[in-house]
Parts: sequence; C-alpha cells; structure tokens
Amino acid sequence: EVQLVESGGGLVQPGGSLTISCTASGFIFRNYAMTWVRQAPGKGLEWVSAISGSGATPHYADIVKGRFTISRDNSQNTLYLQMDSLRGDDTAVYYCSNWPEGVHGVFFDYWGQGTLVTVSS
Amino acid sequence: DVVMIQSPLSLPVTLGQPASISCRSGQSLAYSDGNTYLNWFQLRPGQSPRRLIYKVSNRESGVPDRFSGSGSGTDFTLKISRVEAEDVGVYYCMQGTHWPPTFGGGTKVEIK
Repeated sequence: EVQLVESGGGLVQPGGSLTISCTASGFIFRNYAMTWVRQAPGKGLEWVSAISGSGATPHYADIVKGRFTISRDNSQNTLYLQMDSLRGDDTAVYYCSNWPEGVHGVFFDYWGQGTLVTVSS
Repeated sequence: DVVMIQSPLSLPVTLGQPASISCRSGQSLAYSDGNTYLNWFQLRPGQSPRRLIYKVSNRESGVPDRFSGSGSGTDFTLKISRVEAEDVGVYYCMQGTHWPPTFGGGTKVEIK
C-alpha cells in the first residue's frame, strides 16, 4: 500500500525558514517523481515544486522560485521542501504527491494527508 | 502558465439529481502524442485530494460510474449522474499537457 506521510509543519514568523518532509513507502521511491502541492485557507490547489526520481531535475512555481528548495534522499525514501523567506501567503496545507518517472500529463497519483504551515508574527 | 477556469464556483444539488461542472483552459490541451491531459480531482472535507478522472474521460479504479468526464480542446465537463451524500466536496480540474501543471479554482458541491 502506497503511503505518503508529511511532517514538519508549524508556525513560523514572516521572513523565517522551515523544512517539511514526506516519508514514502509502498513503492520504489527512486522510480517516481515527487512533488509538493499546497492549499491556502479558503483557496484552491496550487502546484509548488517537483523533482525527478534521481533528484537531478527540480522544478518550481514562479511564486516560490528562489525561496524554496526541493530535494530528496532516495536511501531514506524521503522528500524535503526547504522554505526560506516565508511570507503570509505561503500559509497553507502542503501535500506531498507523486507520479511515475517519465509519465507525461497524468500527475498526482497518490497524496499524503498534508502538513500545515502557518506564517504569522 | 495555462489558466484553468471552472464554473460554477458553488453547486447546490438535491440528492439523486445530476450535477455538471465546467472547466475551460486558456489554450488547447491536446498534446502531440494524441492525448489530452485533463484530469479531475475530488477533495472531500477532512481528506486528501483524490484523482477521479484522467485524460478527459478515464475513471480511476474504484471511482463510481456515476462520475463521467468529457470534452476536448479547451472545454471540459465533469458530470455526476445522481449525486450522493459522499460526493460533497470540492472538485478541481487540472491540466498536465503544458508545464507547469495548473489547477482550476475549484467547484464546491453541496447538498441542498
């Protein structure tokens, strides 16, 4: 059974940093691209970042480029999102998701339960 | 980025009645491989998102057949033939043809 479990969310001040994690099981981790999608309070789903199975190719939404860094540890089946220079509009539930490496267009096969990041003073 | 516009924003439906959600994209979602990568997701209260439909009209395993997807080019529709209580939630279309993937704003389905 595929499981994606996010952790590390919490309250952080504007301008601060936070790293969230996603631990995966039930599939061959290195064979899957991994991604972060967020949902701000009262808003819709928004893709944030993705990384290839090897970790060599990261992608970012323009709104987080230069502030967020996605990475993965294939030996630990874990995905990370380091978030710097956080702003109020980064407040959201952050979901971890995946799709098979090399697949085009049919994304977000499985989802975690989400972790809440609140940016506030 | 490709803009995805959904309507309506809110959809009150009587149990057992049909529901229809529209999704329009800012450019054609037809891809060079012949596929159209328009997917539908369901977000129930207190749950994680779940993909219902992929490539316009293909239901995921376990998705009831009262859900159906149709459309082409820039205009797409998700239909629920007879709404049940468990269908309450927010529905999102999402395009995967053009990078980056983008979602519609969501349609909230609620029971009248």
